[in-house]
Amino acid sequence: NAGVTQTPKFRVLKTGQSMTLLCAQDMNHEYMYWYRQDPGMGLRLIHYSVGEGTTAKGEVPDGYNVSRLKKQNFLLGLESAAPSQTSVYFCASSHRTGRRESDNQPQHFGDGTRLSIL
Amino acid sequence: AQSVTQLDSHVSVSEGTPVLLRCNYSSSYSPSLFWYVQHPNKGLQLLLKYTSAATLVKGINGFEAEFKKSETSFHLTKPSAHMSDAAEYFCVVSDRRGSTLGRLYFGRGTQLTVWP
Repeated sequence: NAGVTQTPKFRVLKTGQSMTLLCAQDMNHEYMYWYRQDPGMGLRLIHYSVGEGTTAKGEVPDGYNVSRLKKQNFLLGLESAAPSQTSVYFCASSHRTGRRESDNQPQHFGDGTRLSIL
Repeated sequence: AQSVTQLDSHVSVSEGTPVLLRCNYSSSYSPSLFWYVQHPNKGLQLLLKYTSAATLVKGINGFEAEFKKSETSFHLTKPSAHMSDAAEYFCVVSDRRGSTLGRLYFGRGTQLTVWP
């Protein structure tokens, strides 16, 4: 069972370079999310998507772009990398969540991408 | 607005002794609450989930958490720690309203160390 797969697992970039992080899920989840994790900060939401072709900003969206062209894939792009974007990036996915408490679906996480910007 | 406060950034226990990881939350509505665990160089794994069906929630690996609305707390406990429990633990509250359905708000994490 693959679950949520992130590629690459590690990457080192120079300031100003661009790159795309790929997230793929095989659970037919409607919702997908990108987070960054920094020491002592927990996880902060960058962008998310509630369906194919739709994306929305999270808490810390600046400097990132996303696309959800296929239901199973969610791409995170850095157009011009900055040292402040050095972090561990996690992708997650979940089934659609409804308004009832019992509808709240847990999120399933990938193993992360460790990104260093020099 | 939703927020989560994990009261301890680090907790150390001896193997075989009880574990208590404390969490307080703030939510404008009846919240959904979760505990996730993260082992080194891994993603987050769901331990347990509270959605008002029962105030005492049992999770995997012998963990459980009790929802106390009057105290706005959702503390995680385990009767007897095992070496494999050493990890970082995150308390999480969910926003289920409006256009942000399903968004999670994370605490800053509690690092659990288990001594032999």
